[in-house]
Amino acid sequence: EADIYQTPRYLVIGTGKKITLECSQTMGHDKMYWYQQDPGMELHLIHYSYGVNSTEKGDLSSESTVSRIRTEHFPLTLESARPSHTSQYLCASGGGVGGDNEQFFGPGTRLTVL
Amino acid sequence: GESVGLHLPTLSVQEGDNSIINCAYSNSASDYFIWYKQESGKGPQFIIDIRSNMDKRQGQRVTVLLNKTVKHLSLQIAATQPGDSAVYFCAENAYNQGGKLIFGQGTELSVKP
Repeated sequence: EADIYQTPRYLVIGTGKKITLECSQTMGHDKMYWYQQDPGMELHLIHYSYGVNSTEKGDLSSESTVSRIRTEHFPLTLESARPSHTSQYLCASGGGVGGDNEQFFGPGTRLTVL
Repeated sequence: GESVGLHLPTLSVQEGDNSIINCAYSNSASDYFIWYKQESGKGPQFIIDIRSNMDKRQGQRVTVLLNKTVKHLSLQIAATQPGDSAVYFCAENAYNQGGKLIFGQGTELSVKP
């Protein structure tokens, strides 16, 4: 069982609100990732980090931002939520004993913006 | 651009039968492939992986086959059980993608009792 946690699990919020999705892992992994996933669709990488103070944008353009001040913590922030941000957000970490390729996923945050 | 895609969006099988889920990839530089299982309301869970220097790898009730000639990957599940019902994703990792995983669309497996 992977030790990676996301909060909240579900969030319904109004347009224009600022939100932060939390992601924490206790495996000491250097690499962390944020994916966006619509129901039944593939995962799209929106942000990743290869270590503390390292953040990069992923393949899918996103209006969100991330920070990596501590190894175990990789929060994602939306400054002004819009209905187009409604989706599931999955956090993952990797780079442990299994090697760079293996990624462990959190349970996800399902975001609905009204 | 390069992509990983699955042939069938849905697959329905009878309990006890074998399931085969297919995946096509287009990046010839891909050197590592993973199958993930995602149950409703959960994040993807690692099932099995295979490196490009192999053509077959077996796990518990699962087998992954890799055909590099036609860039095809498959996941075989033996004696499919109701608990196998989920969406299955293949993902590829290529050294020319900076080590990032690229996911396919997903196949929903439904097991009939």
